[in-house]
Amino acid sequence: DQQVKQNSPSLSVQEGRISILNCDYTNSMFDYFLWYKKYPAEGPTFLISISSIKDKNEDGRFTVFLNKSAKHLSLHIVPSQPGDSAVYFCAATFNYQLIWGAGTKLIIKP
Amino acid sequence: DTGVSQNPRHKITKRGQNVTFRCDPISEHNRLYWYRQTLGQGPEFLTYFQNEAQLEKSRLLSDRFSAERPKGSFSTLEIQRTEQGDSAMYLCASSPPGANYGYTFGSGTRLTVV
Repeated sequence: DQQVKQNSPSLSVQEGRISILNCDYTNSMFDYFLWYKKYPAEGPTFLISISSIKDKNEDGRFTVFLNKSAKHLSLHIVPSQPGDSAVYFCAATFNYQLIWGAGTKLIIKP
Repeated sequence: DTGVSQNPRHKITKRGQNVTFRCDPISEHNRLYWYRQTLGQGPEFLTYFQNEAQLEKSRLLSDRFSAERPKGSFSTLEIQRTEQGDSAMYLCASSPPGANYGYTFGSGTRLTVV
């Protein structure tokens, strides 16, 4: 069973606009949620995280929102830049494991 | 320290052969993880070490898979009698003591079984 779901395989956004990447989860015991960015032929790179007791965390152009009642989190990137084109993974921690979504490919159009 | 290093980057092997991958974590990180990623999916947890102790193994890690971290530094992942279904990207990550996030990943080893 997929405990972390990213329902959009891809997303295309105009440069300078806001990119919103969504993630849903089923396990209310997850304690941290993370977003990773992955370029082809490279390992995932950590972007931003949020504790399950928070509802928002911001770091520069990246903001993550957590809605625990809906078991939903989202990553906002504003303004979107060409270098943001990559696959974005949502992940959740449970003990020492990371449980991953399938990823969303973000394409930033010029 | 240049991060988590994995070798080789690519491995092509014939079905039935054994392969071994190596991971060198960030030196001050005591936690080390192995994940496997197939096309279109997120990474799947395989196993976890704290120092030299292997504390957890996923049910995905069949008897043909074995991982070691003998001195609590580098780790090896061996696959015996490889099958075509083993073709995947094998990712290693490490994290410092007490970290619940911010794992650092290596670039992975892409295995192709022909």
